[in-house]
Amino acid sequence: NAGVTQTPKFRVLKTGQSMTLLCAQDMNHEYMYWYRQDPGMGLRLIHYSVGEGTTAKGEVPDGYNVSRLKKQNFLLGLESAAPSQTSVYFCASRELARGYTFGSGTRLTVV
Amino acid sequence: TQLLEQSPQFLSIQEGENLTVYCNSSSVFSSLQWYRQEPGEGPVLLVTVVTGGEVKKLKRLTFQFGDARKDSSLHITAAQTGDTGLYLCAGVIRGSGGSNYKLTFGKGTLLTVNP
Repeated sequence: NAGVTQTPKFRVLKTGQSMTLLCAQDMNHEYMYWYRQDPGMGLRLIHYSVGEGTTAKGEVPDGYNVSRLKKQNFLLGLESAAPSQTSVYFCASRELARGYTFGSGTRLTVV
Repeated sequence: TQLLEQSPQFLSIQEGENLTVYCNSSSVFSSLQWYRQEPGEGPVLLVTVVTGGEVKKLKRLTFQFGDARKDSSLHITAAQTGDTGLYLCAGVIRGSGGSNYKLTFGKGTLLTVNP
């Protein structure tokens, strides 16, 4: 039971570089989410998807883009990384009216 | 504005003690969930409560949903070191339409149980 798998687990970027975080789930869930977690700020929703081919903005979407080309995958892109994007990023999936299943996170540092 | 307020923010106790943490809001929730997050890991779902006044037990953990569905509490009896972690509450705001797809999270209570 893999659940939700995030890659990579750690990454260091230089300001201005780009990267893509990959989230894969094997539970056939419709809904997928990207959150960032920062000290004192809690979990903040970046983008989410309610099905293959659909995406929507969360509360902190600026500087990020997402794609859901396949039901099982949800990609988070940073086009031009900034130090303010240093954070721990969590992907989650769920079926409606059920709890989230989270990945183990990606720790990103932008220098 | 934080829709879900959790208290206390930090709690450090000795093994064997009892504790209660709280999750409060001015909004009514259709359902509310509690998660535990250990260092270096993602949050893990503990329980979902949906009915006002509902009480659920999970071994030494007791969860209660307020009658008005605006608040919830988590009580731990005889805490163990393995209970250490960040406890998060999250809810779906009632009547939020498209927001039914996403949970609102509190900032969490960081619990440390010392041996």
